[in-house]
Amino acid sequence: QSVLTQPPSASGTPGQRVTISCSGSSSNIGSNTINWYQQLPGTAPKVLIYSNNQRPSGVPDRFSGSKSGTSASLAISGLQSEDEADYYCAAWDDSLNGRLFGGGTKLTVL
Amino acid sequence: EVQLVESGGGLVQPGGSLRLSCAASGFTFSSFSMNWVRQAPQKGLEWVSYISGGSGTIYYADSVKGRFTISRDSAKNSLYLQMNSLRAEDTAVYFCARVRGSSSSGWQDYWGQGTLVTVSS
Repeated sequence: QSVLTQPPSASGTPGQRVTISCSGSSSNIGSNTINWYQQLPGTAPKVLIYSNNQRPSGVPDRFSGSKSGTSASLAISGLQSEDEADYYCAAWDDSLNGRLFGGGTKLTVL
Repeated sequence: EVQLVESGGGLVQPGGSLRLSCAASGFTFSSFSMNWVRQAPQKGLEWVSYISGGSGTIYYADSVKGRFTISRDSAKNSLYLQMNSLRAEDTAVYFCARVRGSSSSGWQDYWGQGTLVTVSS
């Protein structure tokens, strides 16, 4: 069981806005920045959001991140079929002295 | 173009050893920290180990501490993971990934394609 908690699944229809939550604690999300990764089937993960809310070049502005206290969220607006993937949050944990990944959320576009 | 290419995976018996390699190109290897991250079949991502650019800072996940050793060779632009005393639960695809930023605030901006390690008798 991951220390960073994500819902196992999420879904939406094309054009909708969906959010994926990531809940942690004071030793990880509460004191460090959070990153979000997208993993398409059979491929390596790709960074979507870094430093809580920053998008790397090439990532559409449909993707946005936020953080409040010990929780964070990834929002995807204007949902598209190609967004169907697994999404992971990640943060450093000061108590474990290691990086944590959330358990992952499988996003289905209906 | 940044490229990371893992190799060295395969089938190994429980208790055995394996050494993974990650060949880096397209960037100044010694200037970046690196991570190993693994993914068991049909499971989520699990961070394994971190090494700073100069090898001065190294961290391990508790699940591999004392069994795995991370290292790097800047002359060869290569990252390594020596895995000893392997267990069935170490079966996974192992990714190497470049780290932007520090250990605590960094993120993985480039990933390799992964190499599969299967621990089974």
